[in-house]
Amino acid sequence: EVQLVESGGGLVQPGGSLRVSCAASGFTFSSYWMTWVRQAPGKGLEWVANMRQDVREEYYLDSVKGRFTISRDNAKNSLFLQMNSLRAEDTAVYYCARVREGAAFDIWGQGTMVTVSS
Amino acid sequence: QSALTQPASVSGSPGQSITISCTGTSSDVGGYNYVSWYQQHPGKAPKLMIYDVINRPSGVSNRFSGSKSGNTASLTISGLQTEDEADYYCSSYTSTNTWVFGGGTKLTVL
Repeated sequence: EVQLVESGGGLVQPGGSLRVSCAASGFTFSSYWMTWVRQAPGKGLEWVANMRQDVREEYYLDSVKGRFTISRDNAKNSLFLQMNSLRAEDTAVYYCARVREGAAFDIWGQGTMVTVSS
Repeated sequence: QSALTQPASVSGSPGQSITISCTGTSSDVGGYNYVSWYQQHPGKAPKLMIYDVINRPSGVSNRFSGSKSGNTASLTISGLQTEDEADYYCSSYTSTNTWVFGGGTKLTVL
């Protein structure tokens, strides 16, 4: 079964750091671009970052540039998002998703909640 | 990275058809055939319904169809069913190698 499972969410204070992970299974992880999308409570979807299969390209939402870093370990079928200098407005469910050929997100995880609050 | 524009809500009766619009710019919707649509039920992860403007993934009902004209894309759902009640989001690839979503549309099936 094709599956993505996020983990690592939690409560963190403003200015703090957190690393969320995404474990992939059921497909050849190293063949796909991967992405992170977030959704603040009661709000819409917001694309955050994505990374090419060979890690040579990565792109970010302007508001997270310099604070968030996307990475991946193809040997372990895993995607990561390192979040530093966290702000209250980063509070959201963070989803990882697979980017299908073309530019759509065809497989989604269940999400992991990140809460930034003192 | 401005969000695409969608109506906040639409509604229809079972069996009817509805259309949700998604307006962007020539740097996103109008510049690429990379518009996709997602369905999200409360508390669930989004589900891909349409990709590359007009294509349906395997398993998605043919009641769902997509189109585009200029800077505006549209999702049409025909033969509305109660289980179609959900939030719908459009998304587009952009000229800066990023993606942008619409604000979302809440579909109510009356």
